Amino acid sequence: NAGVTQTPKFRILKIGQSMTLQCAQDMNHNYMYWYRQDPGMGLKLIYYSVGAGITDKGEVPNGYNVSRSTTEDFPLRLELAAPSQTSVYFCASSLQEINQPQHFGDGTRLSIL
Amino acid sequence: GDSVTQMEGPVTLSEEAFLTINCTYTATGYPSLFWYVQYPGEGLQLLLKATKADDKGSNKGFEATYRKETTSFHLEKGSVQVSDSAVYFCALSGSGGYQKVTFGTGTKLQVIP
Repeated sequence: NAGVTQTPKFRILKIGQSMTLQCAQDMNHNYMYWYRQDPGMGLKLIYYSVGAGITDKGEVPNGYNVSRSTTEDFPLRLELAAPSQTSVYFCASSLQEINQPQHFGDGTRLSIL
Repeated sequence: GDSVTQMEGPVTLSEEAFLTINCTYTATGYPSLFWYVQYPGEGLQLLLKATKADDKGSNKGFEATYRKETTSFHLEKGSVQVSDSAVYFCALSGSGGYQKVTFGTGTKLQVIP
């Protein structure tokens, strides 16, 4: 059972470069999320989607963009990478019924130098 | 808005010791409460949940009871093992239409033989 798959696992970028973090889920979940995890800060929501074609901003969306063309995929794009975006990024998905838990990928560790 | 406060770590225990990790919350309405666990290099996994007052969630020897009167959801285990070493996150799912989840900052548990 694949669940939520994130690629790549690690990446180093130079300041000003761009990249896309990939996320795919095979559970037919309508809801998908992107979080960043900084040391001692818990998880902060970047963007979320309630279905194909529908996305919205979370707590910390600046510097990021997302798209949701299919139910399965929810890529996160970083434009003009900055050192403040050094973090571990997690993608998650859930069913739309209320009170369902979120299912997480293993994360992408990103360093901006 | 919603918030979750959990005890700071790290918590270091000897094998077979009793574990308590405190978690309190602030939320409007009637949130669902969760404990997630994160093992090194992995994403968060649901450990247990409770959806209404006085519910007890349990899994793998861990328990937590939803206490509305004290707005708490403390995690307990009677006898910890080295394999329980991980970071534990308390979280709540409020009344947000997109299954908004608010996470605590995490508590690192280290169990020594």
